[in-house]
Amino acid sequence: KAGVTQTPRYLIKTRGQQVTLSCSPISGHRSVSWYQQTPGQGLQFLFEYFSETQRNKGNFPGRFSGRQFSNSRSEMNVSTLELGDSALYLCASSDGTDVATNEKLFFGSGTQLSVL
Amino acid sequence: GIQVEQSPPDLILQEGANSTLRCNFSDSVNNLQWFHQNPWGQLINLFYIPSGTKQNGRLSATTVATERYSLLYISSSQTTDSGVYFCAVGYGNKLVFGAGTILRVKS
Repeated sequence: KAGVTQTPRYLIKTRGQQVTLSCSPISGHRSVSWYQQTPGQGLQFLFEYFSETQRNKGNFPGRFSGRQFSNSRSEMNVSTLELGDSALYLCASSDGTDVATNEKLFFGSGTQLSVL
Repeated sequence: GIQVEQSPPDLILQEGANSTLRCNFSDSVNNLQWFHQNPWGQLINLFYIPSGTKQNGRLSATTVATERYSLLYISSSQTTDSGVYFCAVGYGNKLVFGAGTILRVKS
């Protein structure tokens, strides 16, 4: 089975722009969750999608949004980029239904976003 | 909110040594997982262990949910074990990560 695939691997944007990141889960997995990793804040949960519905959400501003398609692929969008949005963005998939309760997670390699 | 504390923050080992990493959490949790992040940033799931003990090769983990801690044991460490080890707990509707333990194994 192929693992979790994230594209692109690296991205450079300027302040004020928007960005869309993509995540393809492991085949058969219907839950996709997103995380931000920075040296200062560590790993933080952004949100989780299951069957095209956002199930859970972390404490991030509305500039961070996402969606999930019928094939379980997910996209994450960040609008009006700020310097502090520079981070490694990771997505994970699982065959469970709720990241906070009963799932073993499998992570992609991440997208390294740099905001200049 | 919940506090997830990992110790030690840094650990340097000689190849072949054993080590114990600890994860303390301040409230009851729904689940607990251990991850290894390699030097290239890839996060690998080591254990899904809300309670009890599990073993996988040179690695084992124990979670005592009633006392709010989990331990990860690494035996006969190898240079490929280097990286950052995270624990993560399911709390409310989120997954909350600890700050990690940076492990360096020297040959």
